[in-house]
Amino acid sequence: AQTVTQSQPEMSVQEAETVTLSCTYDTSESDYYLFWYKQPPSRQMILVIRQEAYKQQNATENRFSVNFQKAAKSFSLKISDSQLGDAAMYFCARPNFGNEKLTFGTGTRLTIIP
Amino acid sequence: SQTIHQWPATLVQPVGSPLSLECTVEGTSNPNLYWYRQAAGRGLQLLFYSVGIGQISSEVPQNLSASRPQDRQFILSSKKLLLSDSGFYLCAWSSGTVTAFFGQGTRLTVV
Repeated sequence: AQTVTQSQPEMSVQEAETVTLSCTYDTSESDYYLFWYKQPPSRQMILVIRQEAYKQQNATENRFSVNFQKAAKSFSLKISDSQLGDAAMYFCARPNFGNEKLTFGTGTRLTIIP
Repeated sequence: SQTIHQWPATLVQPVGSPLSLECTVEGTSNPNLYWYRQAAGRGLQLLFYSVGIGQISSEVPQNLSASRPQDRQFILSSKKLLLSDSGFYLCAWSSGTVTAFFGQGTRLTVV
């Protein structure tokens, strides 16, 4: 079974500081997608950022960026200038081979310290 | 733009009662549709997956079923709820871009 591993159940960061959330995965494919989703207390899953494996450049969306290490099968999320509204569960996910069904990691709960 | 609607937001049902959760997508055609369940403090588990009307794949054997009577409508059902069916249910869709967009979820409590 394809797995996505998030080794940090909880993280905390001071407001305005930078935090990095880790994710590793397994795959035998050369081209695939990776995602980070945010789940705030409302529990709706919100897409934060997407990375296409064939692209060398790391994806960036405003204060959110990824560090994609294809050979290491690592996909970390960096949040810069952390804000109180960033407090949430963050899930790393990737589609299964040959379809669009997502496999999720177990999540990292991010706390922002004022 | 595409939107996804899921209802109800919250539901409390007695054991043995039926269940019907509905999800509709607007602004796209022939989407892939999904039902996920999230137990408290845990990740998401894919329950059902549909690539078209009447086409349902079940990922986990369980007390639930799904149907897709229309292109953009996905329904999660049960004839008799169990306590273990409690959880947070999320509907999602994807199409072409291999990105799943989620509804707001339904918190189901079976008592």
